[in-house]
Amino acid sequence: AQTVTQSQPEMSVQEAETVTLSCTYDTSESDYYLFWYKQPPSRQMILVIRQEAYKQQNATENRFSVNFQKAAKSFSLKISDSQLGDAAMYFCAYQGGSEKLVFGKGTKLTVNP
Amino acid sequence: ETGVTQTPRHLVMGMTNKKSLKCEQHLGHNAMYWYKQSAKKPLELMFVYNFKEQTENNSVPSRFSPECPNSSHLFLHLHTLQPEDSALYLCASSQDPGLAGRIGSDTQYFGPGTRLTVL
Repeated sequence: AQTVTQSQPEMSVQEAETVTLSCTYDTSESDYYLFWYKQPPSRQMILVIRQEAYKQQNATENRFSVNFQKAAKSFSLKISDSQLGDAAMYFCAYQGGSEKLVFGKGTKLTVNP
Repeated sequence: ETGVTQTPRHLVMGMTNKKSLKCEQHLGHNAMYWYKQSAKKPLELMFVYNFKEQTENNSVPSRFSPECPNSSHLFLHLHTLQPEDSALYLCASSQDPGLAGRIGSDTQYFGPGTRLTVL
């Protein structure tokens, strides 16, 4: 069974600085998708970024980028120029050969002014 | 209304009560999901519906009963719950994976959740 591990329960960053959230996963599949979701205190889960495993190029969405290392099964999220509105729980998720999303336990990000 | 909506946002119920959670998606999607989010645990998939047909029941106790009357609405009927069922219940929707052509191209969009407390 696939598993997703987020080893950092909590992280903090100064406003305008850069922070990297870690995620590793375990799978025997070769074709899959990886996601980062953000859940602010209001609780609405929002898709931040996604990566297709067959693409070598790392996905980027404005200040959010990933470092996808397929061989290492690592999928970290980098947030540049952190803003107060980035404070949230961040969940890494894996989707393989079914509709099922497998989530990590999440990382709580605090942004300090 | 846009996106995925859920009602109620908060629910407190006794163990003998019967209540229902409602989810509605306005995205034209064909697949809908129920997740349970408990403190310090990963999101747990409970049920999946594709074109109103249940395609996944992730070993959920029978005190949780889903209903999907059409591709826009999803209900979760609750009865004789236990205190350990207290959690945030999230609904999500996505385009049908078959129509989208590839797994993962059916990105899931979540509702705001219902915070359930069972006394």
